[in-house]
Amino acid sequence: AQSVTQPDIHITVSEGASLELRCNYSYGATPYLFWYVQSPGQGLQLLLKYFSGDTLVQGIKGFEAEFKRSQSSFNLRKPSVHWSDAAEYFCAVGRALTGGGNKLTFGTGTQLKVEL
Amino acid sequence: KAGVTQTPRYLIKTRGQQVTLSCSPISGHRSVSWYQQTPGQGLQFLFEYFSETQRNKGNFPGRFSGRQFSNSRSEMNVSTLELGDSALYLCASRSTGSENIQYFGAGTRLSVL
Repeated sequence: AQSVTQPDIHITVSEGASLELRCNYSYGATPYLFWYVQSPGQGLQLLLKYFSGDTLVQGIKGFEAEFKRSQSSFNLRKPSVHWSDAAEYFCAVGRALTGGGNKLTFGTGTQLKVEL
Repeated sequence: KAGVTQTPRYLIKTRGQQVTLSCSPISGHRSVSWYQQTPGQGLQFLFEYFSETQRNKGNFPGRFSGRQFSNSRSEMNVSTLELGDSALYLCASRSTGSENIQYFGAGTRLSVL
């Protein structure tokens, strides 16, 4: 079964500093990988996705992520954090199921706090 | 294009009652999935519907059920509510084309007293 590990539960960075959120996955085949962000009381917004091809993917709000198969990682990065980036970030792996369905398995999330 | 719409946004129920949550997917999307989010268990897959049929189911008791209508709108029902059912319930819709992405609604916050 697939699994996703986000080792950092909380991270605090200063506004303007760089950010890297870690994600490791376990999945037998080539995974579909995603990063979602959730603001308090809201649903999940897709930041970026990796399906295949170029291992460095660009997303919205200036985020990027790099897929490293050898390390089973898909870390999220941003060169300069803004106070509005404070939220909870979820890494997820998507898996096609028999019968044509699809299921996301999520990590436990990383809560990002931005200090002004 | 309108996003995924979930109603109601908030619900308060008492133990033993039942509840129905509604989800309208993005226009043209035929797959709808439901997830439960709690502080203790995180985000867990409940089930997925496609063309009015439940295609996949997560590891939840039979008190959790759902259905999908011909217009792809979906409802989720929880019977005999327990305190532990308090959670944010998220609906996601997905295009069944080559784009394998789930788009989420804002969720329904259910509180069981």
